Amino acid sequence: DTEVTQTPKHLVMGMTNKKSLKCEQHMGHRAMYWYKQKAKKPPELMFVYSYEKLSINESVPSRFSPECPNSSLLNLHLHALQPEDSALYLCASRRQSGTSGPDTQYFGPGTRLTVL
Amino acid sequence: GQQLNQSPQSMFIQEGEDVSMNCTSSSIFNTWLWYKQDPGEGPVLLIALYKAGELTSNGRLTAQFGITRKDSFLNISASIPSDVGIYFCAGGNAGGTSYGKLTFGQGTILTVHP
Repeated sequence: DTEVTQTPKHLVMGMTNKKSLKCEQHMGHRAMYWYKQKAKKPPELMFVYSYEKLSINESVPSRFSPECPNSSLLNLHLHALQPEDSALYLCASRRQSGTSGPDTQYFGPGTRLTVL
Repeated sequence: GQQLNQSPQSMFIQEGEDVSMNCTSSSIFNTWLWYKQDPGEGPVLLIALYKAGELTSNGRLTAQFGITRKDSFLNISASIPSDVGIYFCAGGNAGGTSYGKLTFGQGTILTVHP
């Protein structure tokens, strides 16, 4: 099973709202990722968690706040977003095998976010 | 950030034709991945390549990891309408402080005419 689930599927929010995106995997993967994707463009990395610790923050604005409560869950808290933040937000996970072994990331279906 | 050079950017083909796309990089990777993405969905892994020179098939799909570790190609044989979508290549390096970070190509948009 290589399933990563994401909720909600769609989200519409105003610029003053606070909302959260959720990602879950039960493959025992210890690396989890948040990406932002605009239409017909490749995914852009936002954050990487490795063993539940934030390992990479690609200079993402503080209005995006990631959280990894346990090895299966990844959240992205959203506050005071701008219309240009509207995009498909993707979660991915990877086994995290250290210096050798497969380096494969598996993506979830994404959350389509619209900021009004 | 760094990007891979993926070509072609788009393809319009007839059903039944074969398709070929490739990615090149100025950097070496030890993993090459090929994903397909349908509109509004997340990328789905098609083929993963882990060794230079490796040739791997998945049904009508065949992909190769270039000997120089700087390129990869994906072939689709006998295309069908459900092959429509955007295909992304991605290169990665395991270990160290990379945390499995992937570098993506710009994507190839495939349209198949029945």
